[in-house]
Amino acid sequence: QQPVQSPQAVILREGEDAVINCSSSKALYSVHWYRQKHGEAPVFLMILLKGGEQKGHEKISASFNEKKQQSSLYLTASQLSYSGTYFCGTTTQEGGATNKLIFGTGTLLAVQP
Amino acid sequence: NAGVTQTPKFQVLKTGQSMTLQCAQDMNHEYMSWYRQDPGMGLRLIHYSVGAGITDQGEVPNGYNVSRSTTEDFPLRLLSAAPSQTSVYFCASSRLVGTGELFFGEGSRLTVL
Repeated sequence: QQPVQSPQAVILREGEDAVINCSSSKALYSVHWYRQKHGEAPVFLMILLKGGEQKGHEKISASFNEKKQQSSLYLTASQLSYSGTYFCGTTTQEGGATNKLIFGTGTLLAVQP
Repeated sequence: NAGVTQTPKFQVLKTGQSMTLQCAQDMNHEYMSWYRQDPGMGLRLIHYSVGAGITDQGEVPNGYNVSRSTTEDFPLRLLSAAPSQTSVYFCASSRLVGTGELFFGEGSRLTVL
């Protein structure tokens, strides 16, 4: 079952902040975040493991709420280069599923000058 | 470093034809997987492998076969192509997907007429 992402799309001006959410109905083992530019392959941003940790670097960070089975990606002071489609991927704690990385349907982020 | 190499990059098939999408990685990764990407559907897992000789089904395995005879290669076979299999296919590899980064190939665009 795919994780649910919200919003489906967001338009920002340079310098504005954005939050992308990812939720699952299953007990999560890990949450992955990727960004994909048009016509290119997805590129890894970060991974969060169960334990409620927050990770990030510079202006892109993420949190993982294990109790709620939710993760959020935070983009602060957005830049034009942040434009693209963001995907969360999840692995669950069900037998063997820690090796099954299932992606959500994506959030299209457009940053305008 | 070549990373993950997919061939061909583009292919047009007629309904009922068979073909194999090739995927090779040179990072000595145990984990390899195939995804298909369709507009609005995100990345959907077709099959994956946690090592040579071991494969398992993902979310949308019907119509596709895989094998993993070596660590490096993970071909995806379409035995009898259908228009519903028109998509962009991505191969990806990881040292350990539950806790590690997934490296994607550049993608293969398949059209079935």
